[in-house]
Amino acid sequence: SQTIHQWPATLVQPVGSPLSLECTVEGTSNPNLYWYRQAAGRGLQLLFYSVGIGQISSEVPQNLSASRPQDRQFILSSKKLLLSDSGFYLCAWRGWGYDYGYTFGSGTRLTVV
Amino acid sequence: SQKIEQNSEALNIQEGKTATLTCNYTNYSPAYLQWYRQDPGRGPVFLLLIRENEKEKRKERLKVTFDTTLKQSLFHITASQPADSATYLCAPYSGGGADGLTFGKGTHLIIQP
Repeated sequence: SQTIHQWPATLVQPVGSPLSLECTVEGTSNPNLYWYRQAAGRGLQLLFYSVGIGQISSEVPQNLSASRPQDRQFILSSKKLLLSDSGFYLCAWRGWGYDYGYTFGSGTRLTVV
Repeated sequence: SQKIEQNSEALNIQEGKTATLTCNYTNYSPAYLQWYRQDPGRGPVFLLLIRENEKEKRKERLKVTFDTTLKQSLFHITASQPADSATYLCAPYSGGGADGLTFGKGTHLIIQP
């Protein structure tokens, strides 16, 4: 069966520090991968999606970037964090075809101080 | 612009009754619509998908309807239980690619024992 791993679970980082969040998927190949952010009291905001290695589409211009160095690995990064980057970051994958729902990871709670 | 509206206020329902949640959308022509459940501090969990040519779909105590004329989906939980308390998100999708889902902000459902 397919599983998705996301770490770390919580992170407290100072303003201006770098960020690297990792997401890996097991039990599937060539998945569509997504990064979402959920700020306090707000809905899910799509940040990036990827259909394959090295292919990244950005939905929102911001201080963040994403990379997909391997088929089942998706990384979210920042060179310098802002206070506004605080939030709950979620990785998700979807199999091919429209019938599939998204499978989300357990999320990373990021607090920028 | 595309807009998804869900009840922003919490919905309180007595245990055993049927809970009905509403999802309205504008400027969308979704090929299908998905519903998810999200518990505090966790990622959303996929519940049901309904296609535009399906009027109704059921899964155990869950029922979803989809009215493309009204641009509305209703999500019903029958014989509700306190364990059903969570935030429920809807996500209409127009299809056509791997681009990510846009979610409503969700309705917080509270089942009172």
